[in-house]
Amino acid sequence: AQSVAQPEDQVNVAEGNPLTVKCTYSVSGNPYLFWYVQYPNRGLQFLLKYITGDNLVKGSYGFEAEFNKSQTSFHLKKPSALVSDSALYFCAVPGTRIKAAGNKLTFGGGTRVLVKP
Amino acid sequence: DAGITQSPRHKVTETGTPVTLRCHQTENHRYMYWYRQDPGHGLRLIHYSYGVKDTDKGEVSDGYSVSRSKTEDFLLTLESATSSQTSVYFCAISESKYGYTFGSGTRLTVV
Repeated sequence: AQSVAQPEDQVNVAEGNPLTVKCTYSVSGNPYLFWYVQYPNRGLQFLLKYITGDNLVKGSYGFEAEFNKSQTSFHLKKPSALVSDSALYFCAVPGTRIKAAGNKLTFGGGTRVLVKP
Repeated sequence: DAGITQSPRHKVTETGTPVTLRCHQTENHRYMYWYRQDPGHGLRLIHYSYGVKDTDKGEVSDGYSVSRSKTEDFLLTLESATSSQTSVYFCAISESKYGYTFGSGTRLTVV
């Protein structure tokens, strides 16, 4: 079964420092990978996705993610964190096919990011 | 997101009562999903739909049922609410495995 893991429950970083949120995956076939962010009392917002192509994927709000096939990782990064980046971050992977093209998303447990001024 | 709305946004209910949550989309997407979010568990799939009247179970479906009589509406029913079903519920829609859109969530408290 397709799965992702986020090894860190929380990441603390000072404003202006680089931010990395880790995600590892276990999939069969070509991986499709997503990152979502959830701000307090809000729904999930799409950040970026890897489908194919360049290993460095650029997304919203200055985030990027690096796909590493040999390490089965898809870490989310931001060169200079902002206090407003404090949120809950989820890595996700589509699961097994359901009837046709749609796929169920399977999520990691989430990583809470706290950016301190 | 403007294309998907959930109602109600908040609900408090008593143990043993039935509860129905609604997800409504204006995107005409084929696939709709119900997830629950709990601390330490991320989001877990309850049920999903791949078309009108076509639904199937997710990983945490016990105690829940769903119905989809129209493309735009996907209802989640807690047949007899329990305290373990206190959670935040999210609906999502997709047309393929390349993109998903989530609703703002329903916070359900069972007392």
